[in-house]
Amino acid sequence: EPEVTQTPSHQVTQMGQEVILRCVPISNHLYFYWYRQILGQKVEFLVSFYNNEISEKSEIFDDQFSVERPDGSNFTLKIRSTKLEDSAMYFCASSETGIFGYTFGSGTRLTVV
Amino acid sequence: AQKITQTQPGMFVQEKEAVTLDCTYDTSDPSYGLFWYKQPSSGEMIFLIYQGSYDQQNATEGRYSLNFQKARKSANLVISASQLGDSAMYFCAMREETSGSRLTFGEGTQLTVNP
Repeated sequence: EPEVTQTPSHQVTQMGQEVILRCVPISNHLYFYWYRQILGQKVEFLVSFYNNEISEKSEIFDDQFSVERPDGSNFTLKIRSTKLEDSAMYFCASSETGIFGYTFGSGTRLTVV
Repeated sequence: AQKITQTQPGMFVQEKEAVTLDCTYDTSDPSYGLFWYKQPSSGEMIFLIYQGSYDQQNATEGRYSLNFQKARKSANLVISASQLGDSAMYFCAMREETSGSRLTFGEGTQLTVNP
């Protein structure tokens, strides 16, 4: 079964450092997403991406965050200057239609120290 | 107001019994979708079942079924014949037509299956 692949599975970074989280969505999917889950809390939407541009973003997704699809397969989330409160599990997801069929990756656990 | 409410922080069930996990939602959109995801302790999000607002029948996927009561705005997940491997966190989520394609998640229910 097709999968969404995320790397790395774990990342530890110093506060103030830049991190890039990587995702390879399912190949025929057109809609891409990033969500985050702070430990013990619910999953929160960050951003959606369609047709090579951001289609929607939440209030969490401020100027410290950016997304990119640098080639035909990868989808990245960059956090420019990490804060302690950015520590969370970050999930990438993709969908062919943007209506249903959302497939999530296994997540990247980011720890900011 | 919460878009998705899961009122059961924790549920326990005996192996081989059925269990219902509650989910109520709040939307004024005529078109929306409801989803259930399973998150085991390893952390990944596993899709279980989907119900569209215009679907006439309740969705079923193997041992999972969704008890969709549109007038009550509830979308409860029923797991039949529980297995030890069903122990996990379960999240209900909704996509609303007017919110683009984002999913809004509930707080989750931690299910424990006892042998």
